[in-house]
Amino acid sequence: ILNVEQSPQSLHVQEGDSTNFTCSFPSSNFYALHWYRWETAKSPEALFVMTLNGDEKKKGRISATLNTKEGYSYLYIKGSQPEDSATYLCAFNTPGGKLIFGQGTELSVKP
Amino acid sequence: GAGVSQTPSNKVTEKGKYVELRCDPISGHTALYWYRQSLGQGPEFLIYFQGTGAADDSGLPNDRFFAVRPEGSVSTLKIQRTERGDSAVYLCASSLGPGGNSPLHFGNGTRLTVT
Repeated sequence: ILNVEQSPQSLHVQEGDSTNFTCSFPSSNFYALHWYRWETAKSPEALFVMTLNGDEKKKGRISATLNTKEGYSYLYIKGSQPEDSATYLCAFNTPGGKLIFGQGTELSVKP
Repeated sequence: GAGVSQTPSNKVTEKGKYVELRCDPISGHTALYWYRQSLGQGPEFLIYFQGTGAADDSGLPNDRFFAVRPEGSVSTLKIQRTERGDSAVYLCASSLGPGGNSPLHFGNGTRLTVT
């Protein structure tokens, strides 16, 4: 059974704080790792698709790193804003094409 | 352009009834995924299609669940003899190819409530 774990489950920070969370996934048969952001009352939106060990991707104040050998990815948010409040999901893409999601990290940023 | 469309947005049904949930993917997207999401959980994989065929249906919980995509575009998720435990948000997503470098584009989901 493929297991994708995210930690922490929830995070409450103040506006301006920087934060990070973790996604752990199987280190064997790696194909790709996806990050999504899911705001309340909207549909999940893709942030990053990462395929190479050591890859780093950035989108504005959000960045992600990937370590396929040890099976983890970090998502960083620099200078959190209230509009960053959302659930952040990672998904492990198997070579067969199936994407398995973690349970998500719920981020709340207070002004 | 048009995104992934799911209908209905909400469905309330009685235990034991049959329901169909529809997904209209983005035009040209060959891969289509169905997920189920319960409160406090991440999306749970049900099935994914590459073209018309089900490439992986290992997530369908039992034989009451069935999905089709007859022309490689619109997909229907069918649930027979619904049970209260089937209540969840059913998400559909499409992508240019089966994962890899192709991100998923999600619809807004169908909230199914079985009373």
